[in-house]
Amino acid sequence: DAGITQSPRYKITETGRQVTLMCHQTWSHSYMFWYRQDLGHGLRLIYYSAAADITDKGEVPDGYVVSRSKTENFPLTLESATRSQTSVYFCASSVRGRHEQYFGPGTRLTVT
Amino acid sequence: DQQVKQNSPSLSVQEGRISILNCDYTNSMFDYFLWYKKYPAEGPTFLISISSIKDKNEDGRFTVFLNKSAKHLSLHIVPSQPGDSAVYFCAASSIGGGADGLTFGKGTHLIIQP
Repeated sequence: DAGITQSPRYKITETGRQVTLMCHQTWSHSYMFWYRQDLGHGLRLIYYSAAADITDKGEVPDGYVVSRSKTENFPLTLESATRSQTSVYFCASSVRGRHEQYFGPGTRLTVT
Repeated sequence: DQQVKQNSPSLSVQEGRISILNCDYTNSMFDYFLWYKKYPAEGPTFLISISSIKDKNEDGRFTVFLNKSAKHLSLHIVPSQPGDSAVYFCAASSIGGGADGLTFGKGTHLIIQP
């Protein structure tokens, strides 16, 4: 039972590069979410998705793009990485109609 | 402006005693509240939750209390154990069944002293 996985776990990239963070869940949860965690900010919502092909912006969406062609995958793309996007990124999923979200292990991204 | 506030960045408690973590919120649209526990280099794990129609929810050593009029909730851990040392996040969800994400506080680092 893999649950929710994220890859890569660690990534270093340069300013201006495109980078994609992957998220995969095996529970067939309808809802999926991306958060970033920064010192002094807790977790902040970047994007969320209620179902395949349905996505919406969260609190801090600028500089990010998401897609959800399959229920189980929810990749997050930084089109042109900036140093301010250095953070730990968490993917989460939940059952439709439920508030409890289940988180992946996170991806630590460093933009140099 | 922070909608969910955890005003204590850290809290130190002796093993066996009660740990009380506090959380305040400002958004009246929040109707469901959750606590998450996070160890270093891991994702947050769901601990316990409470609906706005209740004022208390208990699960083993963990109890969450909700005071709607004060827009305040607290997590009680009794008795505290060394494995409880972690960062605890308070989170809130708006009316809508959880589809539009959670709003988190900044977290409280709980340290259980032997």
